[in-house]
Amino acid sequence: DTGVSQNPRHKITKRGQNVTFRCDPISEHNRLYWYRQTLGQGPEFLTYFQNEAQLEKSRLLSDRFSAERPKGSFSTLEIQRTEQGDSAMYLCASRGGSEKLFFGSGTQLSVL
Amino acid sequence: GENVEQHPSTLSVQEGDSAVIKCTYSDSASNYFPWYKQELGKGPQLIIDIRSNVGEKKDQRIAVTLNKTAKHFSLHITETQPEDSAVYFCAASSYNAGNMLTFGGGTRLMVKP
Repeated sequence: DTGVSQNPRHKITKRGQNVTFRCDPISEHNRLYWYRQTLGQGPEFLTYFQNEAQLEKSRLLSDRFSAERPKGSFSTLEIQRTEQGDSAMYLCASRGGSEKLFFGSGTQLSVL
Repeated sequence: GENVEQHPSTLSVQEGDSAVIKCTYSDSASNYFPWYKQELGKGPQLIIDIRSNVGEKKDQRIAVTLNKTAKHFSLHITETQPEDSAVYFCAASSYNAGNMLTFGGGTRLMVKP
């Protein structure tokens, strides 16, 4: 257990529904990252927070995706009007003062 | 942006043999190179990392080497055990890019008892 907690572990939804995932990083880590991983591929960067500020967003993050980290602690990732192509593992990671990035166990999303 | 290529995509070895996984990167500004192990249904676990000012780093049975000139780095696992079976990912990042990691495509390592 790395100390990064993600909920839920699994989410099954119907196409067109909205879903929200939560990430609780390691408590002293001020940097938080969201990645997406599809089967057989490496994780792909989505977005990055330093404290509550969202500093970087990938072009993969369409306008249906929104992420927040309101108090610089936990973060949420919301997907609106889900599509089958959104099916993937959504990974959260955090880091403190070093480059070492620690990942949670992920949320596996299946869009039917 | 950074591009990381990893090979082989699958690797099968006998228990006790060594395994080597290789990665190349494209951005000469990259200066941090971690390796992750991912087991089924779990998130990637950091197993070893190396910075660009170091050519080699070892931690028990695992070691990583870096050739900055050729822009490639490798993971070496000696005396492999069945519990080493997993998917391994290399990654690269640079301070200039916000330390965002770019991952390779992964290597599925199978250690046969």
